[in-house]
Amino acid sequence: QSVLTQPPSASGTPGQRVTISCSGTRSNIGDNYVYWYQQLPGTAPKRLIYRNNQRPSGVPDRFSGSKSGTSASLAISGLRSEDEADYYCATWDDSLSGPVFGGGTRLTVL
Amino acid sequence: QVQLQESGPGLVKPSQTLSLTCTVSGGSMSSANYYWSWIRQPAGKGLEWIGHIYTTGNTNYSPSLKSRIAISVDTSKNQFSLKLSFVTAADTAVYYCARNLDYWGRGTLVTVSS
Repeated sequence: QSVLTQPPSASGTPGQRVTISCSGTRSNIGDNYVYWYQQLPGTAPKRLIYRNNQRPSGVPDRFSGSKSGTSASLAISGLRSEDEADYYCATWDDSLSGPVFGGGTRLTVL
Repeated sequence: QVQLQESGPGLVKPSQTLSLTCTVSGGSMSSANYYWSWIRQPAGKGLEWIGHIYTTGNTNYSPSLKSRIAISVDTSKNQFSLKLSFVTAADTAVYYCARNLDYWGRGTLVTVSS
């Protein structure tokens, strides 16, 4: 049982816009920055978003993050076949004094 | 650009101790107040925080693993290490080291089997 709640799956067609949600509490998402990762099969998670909505260099601007209250979202616009992967949200939890993760969302490009 | 690399045995016998080291390059571990984590991922499952350490030596561990974990740091070698004792098959996973939530190693698969 993950501390942060994500839908287990999402899907879209090429060119479409897809959003993935991440729900938490005040002690985690509410008071801390949210990160998003993309994980392709057999590889380590790749940071897509940090500090709620910042993109590391090299990450396309098709990926965007937002946060409101105790929830966060990752949006992917102009969906492409190579976006098919698992996506995880993460943040710090003040109660745990450690990072917590969502259970992951498997994105399928139809 | 900071890089992290995990190393250690890929196979551990049940009831023994899993030992991994993370080597940090591209900057000194002591240069700022980061936390240095171990995170694992069983095959087909999500990410689980194991614990972390600061270069001061202060640690924090996952409550579910606390009784079996020890994380240490050697700033002179720019390394930090994980020991997980009394392992079972349930500890089989890819183990990642990370700096905060920003930079991660590529991960190393550890299998617990006799």
